[in-house]
Amino acid sequence: NAGVTQTPKFQVLKTGQSMTLQCAQDMNHEYMSWYRQDPGMGLRLIHYSVGAGITDQGEVPNGYNVSRSTTEDFPLRLLSAAPSQTSVYFCASRRTVTEAFFGQGTRLTVV
Amino acid sequence: QQQVKQSPQSLIVQKGGISIINCAYENTAFDYFPWYQQFPGKGPALLIAIRPDVSEKKEGRFTISFNKSAKQFSLHIMDSQPGDSATYFCAASPVLRFGNEKLTFGTGTRLTIIP
Repeated sequence: NAGVTQTPKFQVLKTGQSMTLQCAQDMNHEYMSWYRQDPGMGLRLIHYSVGAGITDQGEVPNGYNVSRSTTEDFPLRLLSAAPSQTSVYFCASRRTVTEAFFGQGTRLTVV
Repeated sequence: QQQVKQSPQSLIVQKGGISIINCAYENTAFDYFPWYQQFPGKGPALLIAIRPDVSEKKEGRFTISFNKSAKQFSLHIMDSQPGDSATYFCAASPVLRFGNEKLTFGTGTRLTIIP
């Protein structure tokens, strides 16, 4: 049982480049979300989805896009990377509000 | 606007001691209060959670104390062990009614247990 799988684990981008962070879950959870973790800032919600075809913005959505074509996958796209997007990104999924399952994270550095 | 305030930012406790981490919230619609534990290089994982109908929940060495009137809740780790060294996040969420209720996290506490 894989749970929530994120790829890649590490990535270095140049300013202005675009990329997609992948997230897949095998628990048939309807609710998926993306967070970024920065020192002293905790986990901040970027975007979330309550089901296939439905997405919404979180606390810090600027510079990021998401789509949800299947229940299993929820990719996060960086349109034009900026140094301020250097962070650790976590994908999470949950069926109800009672427990969120997190992936292992993607450490992104933008130079 | 930070809806969940967590303190301290870092904490050093001697092995066998009690670790205490505090959180305060503002939104009275919050109805679910979990604590997550994160080890270096890993994603957060649910440790223990409480709903406001009880004032305390205990699971092994971990206890959540909840004060609804003060809008505060805390995590107590009894007999703290070096393996408890991790970052701890409190969080809060409204009751699940429409399916889009969001978990709001505190800023985290880095706990170090020294021998």
